[in-house]
Amino acid sequence: GAVVSQHPSRVICKSGTSVKIECRSLDFQATTMFWYRQFPKQSLMLMATSNEGSKATYEQGVEKDKFLINHASLTLSTLTVASAHPEDSSFYICSARVRRGSYQETQYFGPGTRLLVL
Amino acid sequence: TQLLEQSPQFLSIQEGENLTVYCNSSSVFSSLQWYRQEPGEGPVLLVTVVTGGEVKKLKRLTFQFGDARKDSSLHITAAQPGDTGLYLCAGTQGNEKLTFGTGTRLTIIP
Repeated sequence: GAVVSQHPSRVICKSGTSVKIECRSLDFQATTMFWYRQFPKQSLMLMATSNEGSKATYEQGVEKDKFLINHASLTLSTLTVASAHPEDSSFYICSARVRRGSYQETQYFGPGTRLLVL
Repeated sequence: TQLLEQSPQFLSIQEGENLTVYCNSSSVFSSLQWYRQEPGEGPVLLVTVVTGGEVKKLKRLTFQFGDARKDSSLHITAAQPGDTGLYLCAGTQGNEKLTFGTGTRLTIIP
């Protein structure tokens, strides 16, 4: 159980185009999903927290007009990189939170989407 | 400021050897998780620890959460090439956000 998928797995686009990445929880409902960014040989950096039916909460330094997040249902969150530029090239990973009991929460991660902007 | 520092950053050892990876912080965490990530893939959860002093074993992997819930360690016995990967610790501090450690890149040489 607790499988998270992402689509597409990789995308190459020209500078200036917008790219949409989908994150789905396949066998559970996730009221909260998270979007991370990972540069080569580095750890994951949280970009934003996505709550179903409400606006996403962005981390400091992340442009909300650049990285548009929509969490329209309990199983789907989307990240749109608006007007992508080469510096946006990165590995984008989503996760969905599963709450077990009153205190233990676990995040399950998607396989990631590699974005290359030319 | 990186809340969770992992050491070593890189580790390359021979198959069959033992190793320990450390995850340290000056902050208290309500829970701590360990993940392994392979190139081009998302992190895969290995274990969650929530109680200070807790020890969990997963086959050849032993995880320990410090008594004060500020640090954790991952010990691998008789390492195998399949253990190669990026090991990440991540903690929560009562809110819903995970803070990831700096990562340890492990290479097991056959």
